[in-house]
Amino acid sequence: DSGVTQTPKHLITATGQRVTLRCSPRSGDLSVYWYQQSLDQGLQFLIQYYNGEERAKGNILERFSAQQFPDLHSELNLSSLELGDSALYFCASSVYAGGPGEQFFGPGTRLTVL
Amino acid sequence: TQLLEQSPQFLSIQEGENLTVYCNSSSVFSSLQWYRQEPGEGPVLLVTVVTGGEVKKLKRLTFQFGDARKDSSLHITAAQPGDTGLYLCAGLGSNYKLTFGKGTLLTVNP
Repeated sequence: DSGVTQTPKHLITATGQRVTLRCSPRSGDLSVYWYQQSLDQGLQFLIQYYNGEERAKGNILERFSAQQFPDLHSELNLSSLELGDSALYFCASSVYAGGPGEQFFGPGTRLTVL
Repeated sequence: TQLLEQSPQFLSIQEGENLTVYCNSSSVFSSLQWYRQEPGEGPVLLVTVVTGGEVKKLKRLTFQFGDARKDSSLHITAAQPGDTGLYLCAGLGSNYKLTFGKGTLLTVNP
């Protein structure tokens, strides 16, 4: 158990819909990272928040957005869903704002878009 | 865009065999990490290598960072079924973003 929690574990929805994925970081960690993992693309970095502020942006689509709240939990919002958005979405947390420090990954949310 | 190529993509071996997986890039990374991911779980960090030429050992696992900090290898001695999993390398760029390879799926058969 990494100490990072993600809900829900599974999510099945239809094209065009909007969903929200939730992540609670490890106690004391200020950074939250979101990743998307698919068979063809592998694990792709989407976005990082540090203490409520956006810190770094990766391959995140404009249809996707995220935020980190004062209690440090984070939500990833996916809208106008397409079949190709079906993937595993991982949240990770870290003490650090950046650098080679360890990131602790949650168990992931499996999103299926039908 | 920094890319990491991992090889082989799939590896199936018998218990007790040795193996090496590779992680290569044309880009320089400030550090490189290796993770193992088991089905239904998130990746777990195994090691971080920072210095070119660095070698780190973790029990039966040996990790090496290339002199030019563009490539890395993971060698497992006397593999066991518990080593089964997806091995991912990830490079940390100057922008502090982690770039992951697509992974090597290792199966160790009893």
